[in-house]
Amino acid sequence: QKEVEQDPGPLSVPEGAIVSLNCTYSNSAFQYFMWYRQYSRKGPELLMYTYSSGNKEDGRFTAQVDKSSKYISLFIRDSQPSDSATYLCAMSASTGGGADGLTFGKGTHLIIQP
Amino acid sequence: ETGVTQTPRHLVMGMTNKKSLKCEQHLGHNAMYWYKQSAKKPLELMFVYNFKEQTENNSVPSRFSPECPNSSHLFLHLHTLQPEDSALYLCASSHLLAGKGGTDTQYFGPGTRLTVL
Repeated sequence: QKEVEQDPGPLSVPEGAIVSLNCTYSNSAFQYFMWYRQYSRKGPELLMYTYSSGNKEDGRFTAQVDKSSKYISLFIRDSQPSDSATYLCAMSASTGGGADGLTFGKGTHLIIQP
Repeated sequence: ETGVTQTPRHLVMGMTNKKSLKCEQHLGHNAMYWYKQSAKKPLELMFVYNFKEQTENNSVPSRFSPECPNSSHLFLHLHTLQPEDSALYLCASSHLLAGKGGTDTQYFGPGTRLTVL
């Protein structure tokens, strides 16, 4: 079983729709959860960062973490064509003082149709 | 220049060449990372540096050799690569979270697109 599962898509929705992106994971030690957006030929750009369970909202974006189900989500409201990109979920565990590399999902390719 | 920069942005090399990738972060971070991104696969962590000390090597072949001379610069030295090493190589940096363990969010550079012929 892979550590982080994410549907690669593509996911195509009309402009203005609410988009729901999800990841599941198996490692219960993960405590830090991130969503990155990656445009073609660019590096990943951090969108949302959450620690442990709960919701976090930033403009049109809402991140949800459910540690009991090992499930995280990113919601995009009023989607725009400029939101078309690959969305990567990432997570890490605390190591007691050291740096952690992130464990990523494969990324979901999102297309917003004008 | 701000954020995390990487040079070169594109590199084509033969299997017998030796080349180096460079990463520089202008964020005052104290941890740096190399990741590999191949088509249809998740980003793979390669190396982690903590205050210039290498703390993780994810079973990366010895044809990849990292170097971190200071907390702002990171290199990846390449030699005798294989065609399957063709990928986007991403550098990232972050703060270490004092007392809590783990790290603050990681910020990525634009990557070096490597093609091995």
